[in-house]
Amino acid sequence: DVVMTQSPLYLPVTLGQTASISCRSSQSLVYSDGNTYLNWFRQRPGQSPRRLIYKISNRDSGVPDRFSGSGSGTDFTLKISRVEAEDVGVYYCMQGTHWPPYTFGQGTKLEIK
Amino acid sequence: QVQLVESGGGLVKPGGSLRLSCAASGFTFSDFYMSWIRQAPGKGLEWVSFISSSSSYRNDADSVKGRFTISRDNAKNSLYLQMNSLRAEDTAVYYCARGTREPDYWGQGTLVTVSS
Repeated sequence: DVVMTQSPLYLPVTLGQTASISCRSSQSLVYSDGNTYLNWFRQRPGQSPRRLIYKISNRDSGVPDRFSGSGSGTDFTLKISRVEAEDVGVYYCMQGTHWPPYTFGQGTKLEIK
Repeated sequence: QVQLVESGGGLVKPGGSLRLSCAASGFTFSDFYMSWIRQAPGKGLEWVSFISSSSSYRNDADSVKGRFTISRDNAKNSLYLQMNSLRAEDTAVYYCARGTREPDYWGQGTLVTVSS
C-alpha cells in the first residue's frame, strides 16, 4: 500500500495566521495518464469529509481562495491563509493514483488557539 | 444538487451479514464510478470498494476481499454493499462517495457496529 504521512497531526493556529499541512507519499503519485491524483479533504466534527482540493492544486467550487495546494511527486502541501474559525476540523490528504487501495493520510486536526 | 443518502447500518453479531444502500440524486448516476469508504470510531478513513459506472469493473480492499460485495442498480440510482462474515474490526461509519480517484461528493454515512 502507498503510505501517506501527514505532519503535523495537531495544528493550533491563531485566527488570521497561516496554516500549513504537509503530506508525503511512499511512492510517486504521478499516474500513467500524466495526472497526479492527490486530494485534500476537511472533516468537521460530526460531518462527512468534504473535498477541498483535487489534482494537487485545483480548488473545488465554493472553496475560498485562502486554501491552496502545491507539490509534486511525493511531497505535497495544503496552505490555509488568514485562518478563520470555520476552518477547524481534521484535514486529510488522499492519493487516488495507486490501487489497491487508494489511501488517506492519518489526518491533521486544526484548532484555533 | 448532488445528494447521497446511506442506510442499512446497525448492530450485528460477529459472523453476521448486513446490506448497506446508498440512494443517489441530483446527477446522472449511471455516468459515475461509485465507492464505499469507511471510518472506524475516532479513526481515519479507509477505502473499502469501488464499482464502475456499468458494473463491469469492481475492486475491493484486501481487508474486505471475499467478504464484501459492491453492486449498483442504475435504474434505481442506488449503490449497495453486501457485507458478510462481519468482524469487530469492520465497526465503522460507512460512506458512499461519487467517484474513485477524486471522490467529490460523500453521503452522511451509516454506522455499522459489529459486537456480540
